[in-house]
Amino acid sequence: QVQLQESGPGLVKPSQTLSLTCTVSGGSISSGSYYWSWIRQPAGEGLTWIGRIHTSGSTNYIPSLKSRVTISVDTSNNQFSLKLSSVTAADTATYYCAREDYHGSGNWFDPWGQGTLVTVSS
Amino acid sequence: DIQMTQSPSSLSASVGDRVTITCRASQSISRYLNWYQQKPGKAPNLLIYAASSLQSGVPSRFSGSGSGTDFTLTISSLQPEDFATYYCQQSDSTPRTFGQGTKVEIK
Repeated sequence: QVQLQESGPGLVKPSQTLSLTCTVSGGSISSGSYYWSWIRQPAGEGLTWIGRIHTSGSTNYIPSLKSRVTISVDTSNNQFSLKLSSVTAADTATYYCAREDYHGSGNWFDPWGQGTLVTVSS
Repeated sequence: DIQMTQSPSSLSASVGDRVTITCRASQSISRYLNWYQQKPGKAPNLLIYAASSLQSGVPSRFSGSGSGTDFTLTISSLQPEDFATYYCQQSDSTPRTFGQGTKVEIK
């Protein structure tokens, strides 16, 4: 059973770069044909999809963050990563990684990591 | 971007009640609609995919329906463990978008 686990600093200073890693266990990140996604949720608010990377290496990002976001994959360590530059307090949120599974009937996020809280503050 | 609008934003219900949550897309998304349950401090959990398919392990009291722009999540008999926030999400196109959530509270 595939499991995902986020890791990275819980506190980032304004204007710096937020860097998170999602480690995949119980299966190879390269096997099958999946998208690997990042989603965030400010405290008490809803879910926002940030972007994804395909096992082929292709990426998609939400337009509002596209200029600041990079998602990459490290197949040797079975991980994928998120970098968000020039952060502000508005980027404070719980960040989730998730696998996007897709079939002819659609795509869905399953499983999810447990989430990691990142606070942007000096 | 496709906007997803859920209603109501919150509801109060009793154990045993039938609960219905609706989700409307700003344009047709066929049946590319998923539902998630999120409990406080936890990651969302997939309940329903492709509008009406029940995820493995999810109790049969949960069901989904709809196509095009209008979708429904129904809990046939609300149980104590169902008090949570529910989100719809479209997978018709990127960027993926979620509804704002519906919080189901105890009456």
